[in-house]
Amino acid sequence: EAGVAQSPRYKIIEKRQSVAFWCNPISGHATLYWYQQILGQGPKLLIQFQNNGVVDDSQLPKDRFSAERLKGVDSTLKIQPAKLEDSAVYLCASSSTRNTEAFFGQGTRLTVV
Amino acid sequence: AQSVTQLGSHVSVSEGALVLLRCNYSSSVPPYLFWYVQYPNQGLQLLLKYTTGATLVKGINGFEAEFKKSETSFHLTKPSAHMSDAAEYFCAVSDAAGTASKLTFGTGTRLQVTL
Repeated sequence: EAGVAQSPRYKIIEKRQSVAFWCNPISGHATLYWYQQILGQGPKLLIQFQNNGVVDDSQLPKDRFSAERLKGVDSTLKIQPAKLEDSAVYLCASSSTRNTEAFFGQGTRLTVV
Repeated sequence: AQSVTQLGSHVSVSEGALVLLRCNYSSSVPPYLFWYVQYPNQGLQLLLKYTTGATLVKGINGFEAEFKKSETSFHLTKPSAHMSDAAEYFCAVSDAAGTASKLTFGTGTRLQVTL
């Protein structure tokens, strides 16, 4: 079974630029998460999708972050404009409605300079 | 609201020694509890989880953890450390009554294994 795929693995941008990350969850998984992991901290949930609908985006900085999952499969997370404090690893995870386990991708490491 | 506290951001043990990583949680509803491991430049891999039933759960790579409701703890142990166990370990909690896979993580414990 293929795992959660994320791209790119690494991205370096200048502050005030925009960036987008892509996630392809495990086939058949209805629930998709984006987490932000700042160096030295645990992952923090940004947004949760159930199929193509947003279930929880309470911790998403909506003035600069946006995410979509238009067809209920792939998802894109965008930052515009980026700030230095957005430097982090962005992790995508997915789970099935019958499973308590979330499966994580390898993450995208973003460096904002 | 749920939260997780991991005592000790860095733990160092000798190869062959006991590994003990501490995790305490706070939850107003019955929790599901997880331990994940993260190797450098990798995603998170599930080590073990407690949902219901037996409070002593066994996971991969010889790790186990015990859910103690009275102590609100879920400490991770391994009888004998191996060099390959060096990694970052995260304890996490989710809401058994809500979305069980939606996780709140602790800040992590980096395990160092020395010869």
